[in-house]
Amino acid sequence: NAGVMQNPRHLVRRRGQEARLRCSPMKGHSHVYWYRQLPEEGLKFMVYLQKENIIDESGMPKERFSAEFPKEGPSILRIQQVVRGDSAAYFCASSPLVQPNEQFFGPGTRLTVL
Amino acid sequence: GENVEQHPSTLSVQEGDSAVIKCTYSDSASNYFPWYKQELGKRPQLIIDIRSNVGEKKDQRIAVTLNKTAKHFSLHITETQPEDSAVYFCAAKDQGGSEKLVFGKGTKLTVNP
Repeated sequence: NAGVMQNPRHLVRRRGQEARLRCSPMKGHSHVYWYRQLPEEGLKFMVYLQKENIIDESGMPKERFSAEFPKEGPSILRIQQVVRGDSAAYFCASSPLVQPNEQFFGPGTRLTVL
Repeated sequence: GENVEQHPSTLSVQEGDSAVIKCTYSDSASNYFPWYKQELGKRPQLIIDIRSNVGEKKDQRIAVTLNKTAKHFSLHITETQPEDSAVYFCAAKDQGGSEKLVFGKGTKLTVNP
């Protein structure tokens, strides 16, 4: 049973470019969460999605960031016009419908903005 | 919203000793408290969790205790081994209608051989 998958694992972008981060939840999981981790810091919640629905986006910056979880395919976190401050590790987690508390994390995407 | 404080930020112990990490939370309605272990460059891994209807839970060398009145919970690792060295994060589930987790800032545990 494959765990949560994320790609790419490492992403380098220049300032002003777009970054697209993908997350495939564990089989049977219908809840997806995105967290951001700055160096030497904890994980900060960004957004919580179910299929075709954004449930809670209270942690998302108001501009340049968006997320989706379509009916088919992975969840995508999109960052437009990246700035150096966006450099971080972005982790996706998923949980099953019947136990939404238990969140299992993917390996993360490490974004570096030059 | 929920706020989680974690102490200490770093902890160094000798192999075989016990390690204790403490967290406090602010929302008395929170009812789920997981602990994650993160090795350098790796994903956070869920190692143990506790729900508010129990006061203690054990899994081999790891235990978690919860004091709802004081709004704090602790991770206890006994007979520590060098492979326990990692950053440990506590978290609490926010009760604001979402399933999001609010994390502490982490404790870097070093187990010296």
